[in-house]
Amino acid sequence: SQKIEQNSEALNIQEGKTATLTCNYTNYSPAYLQWYRQDPGRGPVFLLLIRENEKEKRKERLKVTFDTTLKQSLFHITASQPADSATYLCALAHGATNKLIFGTGTLLAVQP
Amino acid sequence: DGGITQSPKYLFRKEGQNVTLSCEQNLNHDAMYWYRQDPGQGLRLIYYSQIVNDFQKGDIAEGYSVSREKKESFPLTVTSAQKNPTAFYLCASSISPEKLFFGSGTQLSVL
Repeated sequence: SQKIEQNSEALNIQEGKTATLTCNYTNYSPAYLQWYRQDPGRGPVFLLLIRENEKEKRKERLKVTFDTTLKQSLFHITASQPADSATYLCALAHGATNKLIFGTGTLLAVQP
Repeated sequence: DGGITQSPKYLFRKEGQNVTLSCEQNLNHDAMYWYRQDPGQGLRLIYYSQIVNDFQKGDIAEGYSVSREKKESFPLTVTSAQKNPTAFYLCASSISPEKLFFGSGTQLSVL
């Protein structure tokens, strides 16, 4: 069956370190993959999109990689700050319809 | 100040009652979406609309209804047929599926 998985356990890291979040999928062939940030009680906010033919995309302190062989995307936040604490969602666009499938999200907590 | 507005922030439903969640956008986006978010689950698509006066069912449309009479508005009605309505409801709009803009959500609870 089709599945998209993010680490359900919270990720706790120290301020200044690099946070790495994982998004794995099975039985999909996504045209692209997106990452969103969601704060408690708020709607998700779009961060980055990476296409199937791209290996890496960067935006300021954010970096996303996309490995279609491993069926995995990694989301990195360098020089992390307490303000980066939030839940991060990955979403992949499935097939010809570009229907978005969302993962459950990973809670990131950056300790000062 | 462009954006997407959901109201109310909190809503309570009594047994057998229909309730309507409002979603308004001034981004001039053609497409609008309704998602449901439950703890420990990914966002699930309820309904979406790509143009005025047209909408399609998503993955979990049973017990819900929508209308799209204006480009700016996409209200969601949670009917009494939805037996487990407690959830966080998110409305979104987009020019393309490559970037969704979400509202701040409505938390619906059952009394």
